[in-house]
Amino acid sequence: EVQLVQSGAEVKKPGESLRISCKGSGYSFTSYWISWVRQMPGKGLEWMGRIDPSDSYTSYSPSFQGHVTISADKSISTAYLQWSTLKASDTAMYYCARHASSGSSHFDYWGQGTLFTVSS
Amino acid sequence: SYELTQPPSVSVSPGHTASITCSGDDLGYKYACWYQQKPGQSPVLVISQDTKRPSGIPERFSGSNSGNTATLTISGTQAMDEADYYCQAWDSNTAKVAFGGGTKLTVL
Repeated sequence: EVQLVQSGAEVKKPGESLRISCKGSGYSFTSYWISWVRQMPGKGLEWMGRIDPSDSYTSYSPSFQGHVTISADKSISTAYLQWSTLKASDTAMYYCARHASSGSSHFDYWGQGTLFTVSS
Repeated sequence: SYELTQPPSVSVSPGHTASITCSGDDLGYKYACWYQQKPGQSPVLVISQDTKRPSGIPERFSGSNSGNTATLTISGTQAMDEADYYCQAWDSNTAKVAFGGGTKLTVL
């Protein structure tokens, strides 16, 4: 069974750093791209960027380029999303999602989401 | 960046047909897909590649894509279909994903 299991909820202060994770299981992790998607409270889905776990090639939405870093450790089938300096506006639910195939545009499996709050 | 536009809300009576549109420049030349998201849950793919229904998705869900508009159609809408629906496409020019703003489907 394909699963994407994300790390748990976090509460952070502005200016702190954070890394959240997404562990894939039940499939060949390096054969499928992983994307990260933000959903701010009461708002829609926003694509942040993606990674090809086979070679760690990344592509970012212009809206998030330079503010977050996407990485992966294929030895443990885990993708990461990290911030070096958090802002209150980063408060949101974050989902990882698997592309149906490398190069495919749609997502066939989603993680359960990681909610984090940035507040002083 | 590539923009997709959806109506904020659509209402439908139980048993009737709901249509949710998604508009974008030359969208018909790209693959469109649709996700359903219920409160407190992760999105679920209901239509891929314009018209394909993933395993486990009821036959009442169908999709089309032509010109500048993709459409998700739910025939014989049930109360359980009440949810937010998002369209998504791949901007081949930039190799980036685009989401529509989402449509809240109300079944009343």
